[in-house]
Amino acid sequence: GAGVSQSPSNKVTEKGKDVELRCDPISGHTALYWYRQRLGQGLEFLIYFQGNSAPDKSGLPSDRFSAERTGESVSTLTIQRTQQEDSAVYLCASSFRGARTEAFFGQGTRLTVV
Amino acid sequence: DAKTTQPTSMDCAEGRAANLPCNHSTISGNEYVYWYRQIHSQGPQYIIHGLKNNETNEMASLIITEDRKSSTLILPHATLRDTAVYYCIVGTRAGSYQLTFGKGTKLSVIP
Repeated sequence: GAGVSQSPSNKVTEKGKDVELRCDPISGHTALYWYRQRLGQGLEFLIYFQGNSAPDKSGLPSDRFSAERTGESVSTLTIQRTQQEDSAVYLCASSFRGARTEAFFGQGTRLTVV
Repeated sequence: DAKTTQPTSMDCAEGRAANLPCNHSTISGNEYVYWYRQIHSQGPQYIIHGLKNNETNEMASLIITEDRKSSTLILPHATLRDTAVYYCIVGTRAGSYQLTFGKGTKLSVIP
């Protein structure tokens, strides 16, 4: 596809369960970002991948959150032992390192923890 | 912490120019000013970015003050579809910038 693809688009899970969110960036984009957006709030940075460099994990809110990326392709964000405060839209974005560095966002995964 | 300050909300009459201000008084010499917007229930969308010169594209114009401590995004002829939250962000461009979003400005275009 031409854009950033995220799956699932919606996820409802029970408190305490683990969830895995997927992001397929635009082909050729070396940078990938994860953000969280709670209802009515701004975007909260979670993690940033750039090529083969060590990821910037400074935004991850707790050790229940982790993310991986294989090379310059798909990324997964995992939330272990989900809590109700994890309910939010999780947005992924990718960008190309070089002349055009604007980020393109996916539509997000709406996570609801019940 | 976000490095920018924006008004919480603004209204603009349809067909008129919308001027959205942003203060970034602590901007570094190698940091660019980026603007994104987020229409309800969608992911953010890139609008424009600049370093120190004014920039224009098909969507908007970006005016950056000479001291680079503030900027203004201009939508020349606002339409109802421009109703969105507009985010002003500063970040470096050399492949490793982090987009730190603040709360943005909620722009409402009024018929």
